[in-house]
Amino acid sequence: DQQVKQNSPSLSVQEGRISILNCDYTNSMFDYFLWYKKYPAEGPTFLISISSIKDKNEDGRFTVFLNKSAKHLSLHIVPSQPGDSAVYFCAAPRWGGKLIFGQGTELSVKP
Amino acid sequence: GAVVSQHPSRVICKSGTSVKIECRSLDFQATTMFWYRQFPKQSLMLMATSNEGSKATYEQGVEKDKFLINHASLTLSTLTVTSAHPEDSSFYICSARALTGATPLHFGNGTRLTVT
Repeated sequence: DQQVKQNSPSLSVQEGRISILNCDYTNSMFDYFLWYKKYPAEGPTFLISISSIKDKNEDGRFTVFLNKSAKHLSLHIVPSQPGDSAVYFCAAPRWGGKLIFGQGTELSVKP
Repeated sequence: GAVVSQHPSRVICKSGTSVKIECRSLDFQATTMFWYRQFPKQSLMLMATSNEGSKATYEQGVEKDKFLINHASLTLSTLTVTSAHPEDSSFYICSARALTGATPLHFGNGTRLTVT
């Protein structure tokens, strides 16, 4: 049962344009979401999070939007840079601090 | 920021041998550490939750006798893959949760295990 889903395995964007990575969830009890960035052969690095009491959180080039009624969140990166090329995971915490991850979306930003 | 160190970063072993992976929180105390496994092009799957001074809690389908977890101190947890087989080849990642219980979790850099 995949409670956190990222249906796009890959995304290719031109440098300077906007990257939009999507994530859907099924459990309405989730009240906090995180986005992680991961390079090959490295552990995930925390990027940005959002609480369910908000519908938007912004940090520099990164903005996360949350639509609770649709059980959907998205990560916007603008402007996209080649260094943003990585795999992005959305995640939701379960009790005890366990994180449930989506399948990941591999972003490729082309110069 | 908080740092989690994982060692070794990669290991190759022969089938039937055991491999130990260490996870240390370097600048904070971690009451809870989590062990994940990632197969190529797949998500990070939680294997077990390691609590300092108590037995680990394993996720469904994870063999506790095969993946031995020890959390002897507030800064160190170890995962031992016993009698490794080629299907155990994977990328193993630990994460640590501070005493404050704050999210986000901090992750180690992972260990690439190859069993030949």
